[in-house]
Amino acid sequence: SQTIHQWPATLVQPVGSPLSLECTVEGTSNPNLYWYRQAAGRGLQLLFYSVGIGQISSEVPQNLSASRPQDRQFILSSKKLLLSDSGFYLCAWSVRLDVGELFFGEGSRLTVL
Amino acid sequence: AQSVTQLDSQVPVFEEAPVELRCNYSSSVSVYLFWYVQYPNQGLQLLLKYLSGSTLVKSINGFEAEFNKSQTSFHLRKPSVHISDTAEYFCAVSSGYSTLTFGKGTMLLVSP
Repeated sequence: SQTIHQWPATLVQPVGSPLSLECTVEGTSNPNLYWYRQAAGRGLQLLFYSVGIGQISSEVPQNLSASRPQDRQFILSSKKLLLSDSGFYLCAWSVRLDVGELFFGEGSRLTVL
Repeated sequence: AQSVTQLDSQVPVFEEAPVELRCNYSSSVSVYLFWYVQYPNQGLQLLLKYLSGSTLVKSINGFEAEFNKSQTSFHLRKPSVHISDTAEYFCAVSSGYSTLTFGKGTMLLVSP
């Protein structure tokens, strides 16, 4: 069966520090991969998605970037965190890009101080 | 462009009472509709989905939702809720031409 792992689960970072969140999927090949951010009362915001190695689509211009160095690995990064980057970050994967049935990781809670 | 509106940010209800969580969408093309559930500090889990066929879809834990094309709605219902149903519920839509769009969520609070 397919599983998705996301880490770290929690982190507290100072403003201006770098960020790296990692996500890996097991048990499937060539998944579509996604990074979402969840802020209180604002639902889920799609940040990036990827349909293949090295292919990244950005949905919202911001202080973050994403990379897909391997088929089942998706990384969310920042060179310098802002206070507004605080939130709950969720990685997800899907078989198809257009149907929308997503499978989510457990999330990473980022607090920027 | 597609969008999802969940009118209620919070729905308090007593245990064993019925509940309805409302979801309306807008899209210019045919849609796929989903309800996801999120328990505290966890990721989202798919609760149920409408892709095609019967407009009434059901989950294994007693929830159901009905796709109403004329009213562009996909409301979630359960005839009798449990304490364990306390969670945030997200309605989502995809059109087949773009990625999933989520509503802002409805927090279901079940009290004894």
